[in-house]
Amino acid sequence: DAKTTQPNSMESNEEEPVHLPCNHSTISGTDYIHWYRQLPSQGPEYVIHGLTSNVNNRMASLAIAEDRKSSTLILHRATLRDAAVYYCILRAGVLIQGAQKLVFGQGTRLTINP
Amino acid sequence: NAGVTQTPKFQVLKTGQSMTLQCAQDMNHNSMYWYRQDPGMGLRLIYYSASEGTTDKGEVPNGYNVSRLNKREFSLRLESAAPSQTSVYFCASSEVRGNREQFFGPGTRLTVL
Repeated sequence: DAKTTQPNSMESNEEEPVHLPCNHSTISGTDYIHWYRQLPSQGPEYVIHGLTSNVNNRMASLAIAEDRKSSTLILHRATLRDAAVYYCILRAGVLIQGAQKLVFGQGTRLTINP
Repeated sequence: NAGVTQTPKFQVLKTGQSMTLQCAQDMNHNSMYWYRQDPGMGLRLIYYSASEGTTDKGEVPNGYNVSRLNKREFSLRLESAAPSQTSVYFCASSEVRGNREQFFGPGTRLTVL
């Protein structure tokens, strides 16, 4: 399974942008880059995913390097509610009838200061 | 829609006892998953079910069994609980096509004494 590397923790201030980096130098050509986050005492929730092009949705933006060996999750205006552990995940292996085996690392713990 | 629901929320077992964790989803998803999360760690896949009638081992299947009861329900059974199985257990489901994002339940916190 392709591995990802993320900083253990990051800190930011409320209402400022946050850039969460992820390195995945062994990514294969067919791997999608997924981001999930886990709020305290909750299950993970999907944030965004992409393959080659930058992606935007209502929660965040995903910037993918041209060589695809790294990506950055961008929260445009952080709120206290964005304090969570953020996981950068590469889709693991071939899908079996659509099932998608996700391999979670330790993620980045994001702290937001008021 | 309730999404993914799990019961119970908390459970304490003694070593050697058995129990079944229940999971149900109301999103008509084909695929369902069981993960465990140990303190300070990411989630690890225990078993998954790509579709009704199929189950497969994940990364850490030893000591567990699963049953895909129907399209909605996927249960995880501990036949003889051990302290090493103390963890938070999450169930998830996903659609076969499209984004295939996984939707997670709130988790079951299990302590084995």
